[in-house]
Amino acid sequence: SQTIHQWPATLVQPVGSPLSLECTVEGTSNPNLYWYRQAAGRGLQLLFYSVGIGQISSEVPQNLSASRPQDRQFILSSKKLLLSDSGFYLCAWSVGAGGITDTQYFGPGTRLTVL
Amino acid sequence: AQTVTQSQPEMSVQEAETVTLSCTYDTSESDYYLFWYKQPPSRQMILVIRQEAYKQQNATENRFSVNFQKAAKSFSLKISDSQLGDAAMYFCAYYGGATNKLIFGTGTLLAVQP
Repeated sequence: SQTIHQWPATLVQPVGSPLSLECTVEGTSNPNLYWYRQAAGRGLQLLFYSVGIGQISSEVPQNLSASRPQDRQFILSSKKLLLSDSGFYLCAWSVGAGGITDTQYFGPGTRLTVL
Repeated sequence: AQTVTQSQPEMSVQEAETVTLSCTYDTSESDYYLFWYKQPPSRQMILVIRQEAYKQQNATENRFSVNFQKAAKSFSLKISDSQLGDAAMYFCAYYGGATNKLIFGTGTLLAVQP
């Protein structure tokens, strides 16, 4: 069966520091991968998605970036964190090029606090 | 552009009772998919149920069922025999080929009273 991991689970970082959040998927090949952010009490905002190694699409311009160095690894990064980067970050995966197989399954999330 | 609206920010239900959460959406596509996700206090998003728009039959998963009204663009979630563990934020979501993105509503916070 497929599983998705995210780490760290929680992170407290000072403003201006770098960021690296990691997401890995097991039990499937060539998944579509997604990064979402959820601010407190609000819905999910899609940040990046990837349909293959090295293929990244950005949805929201910001100081965050994403990379996919391996088939089942998705990394969210920042060179300098802002206070507004605080939130709950969720990684998700799906398979397929359309249809119900594109159901997205989510990881446990990372709670990021920027002070 | 596709939008998803959840007009009930909060709902409450007594344990063992039935509750219905509302969701409406706007789209010009004829083929799409709809989902309900649950987000408990742990904040992990859990898929509850999904519906293909081309299927007339409403999806059912154990105590969870949907009322899909395609013409009205309505997709409500019914939870039967509510349990304490059902307390969570519930998100309605839309997926269509035009955007290739999952579009979420703003969520409904469900409280289950013992």
